[in-house]
Amino acid sequence: QSALTQPASVSGSPGQSITISCTGISSDRGGYNYVSWYRHHPGKAPQLLIYAVSNRPSGVSYRFSGSKSGSTASLTISGLQAEDEADYYCSSYGSGHFYVFGSGTRVTV
Amino acid sequence: QVQLQESGPGLVEPSGTLSLICAVSGDFVSSDTWWSWVRQSPGQGLEWIGEIYYGGSTNYNPSLRSRVSISADKSKNQISLKLSSVTAADTAVYFCARGNDYKWDYWGQGTLVTVSS
Repeated sequence: QSALTQPASVSGSPGQSITISCTGISSDRGGYNYVSWYRHHPGKAPQLLIYAVSNRPSGVSYRFSGSKSGSTASLTISGLQAEDEADYYCSSYGSGHFYVFGSGTRVTV
Repeated sequence: QVQLQESGPGLVEPSGTLSLICAVSGDFVSSDTWWSWVRQSPGQGLEWIGEIYYGGSTNYNPSLRSRVSISADKSKNQISLKLSSVTAADTAVYFCARGNDYKWDYWGQGTLVTVSS
């Protein structure tokens, strides 16, 4: 399975909302709802933001939300903050027991 | 708090074998969870390499399956990665991560491995 497609870059001003898309989610049984999102500041460990399409782990800000429509998943960041400037990746679990990541989106605040 | 720390040679010669260790604290590699390796080549995105379950089951990225091996050492509470016949294309930062219900909730900081003579 090829990498999922994300926009290369998205920018916004502090306080604004932005949405990052992730297309190519497989409809194979078992993988359709296993979409997760990660924030990665270069040089640091990636951080889980969203799992199972729209669930937020404890400790993750309410400003992050996820959704899915058809084969496209989306991550919305509301109330954009300077600390949100990072790389963002979606991931999906596919049939055949393997995972695929999105191409990555650089967010600029 | 679960912590993961990758370690290993930072330089590997072409055609050699890349070997990395992921030391786990705050959890046990023998617990009911999966442990993954993920890499990021320079200027590129993340790529899933493979995973191991406490019982020893493994799953690998089809593109790397012929060259990769992941194992667990319960006595040392660590996960290892071996990637054979490496080329410059295998130069990357390698991360280990804890898998939990089809997501990775804890990650290491990553370790850079350069393939060069």
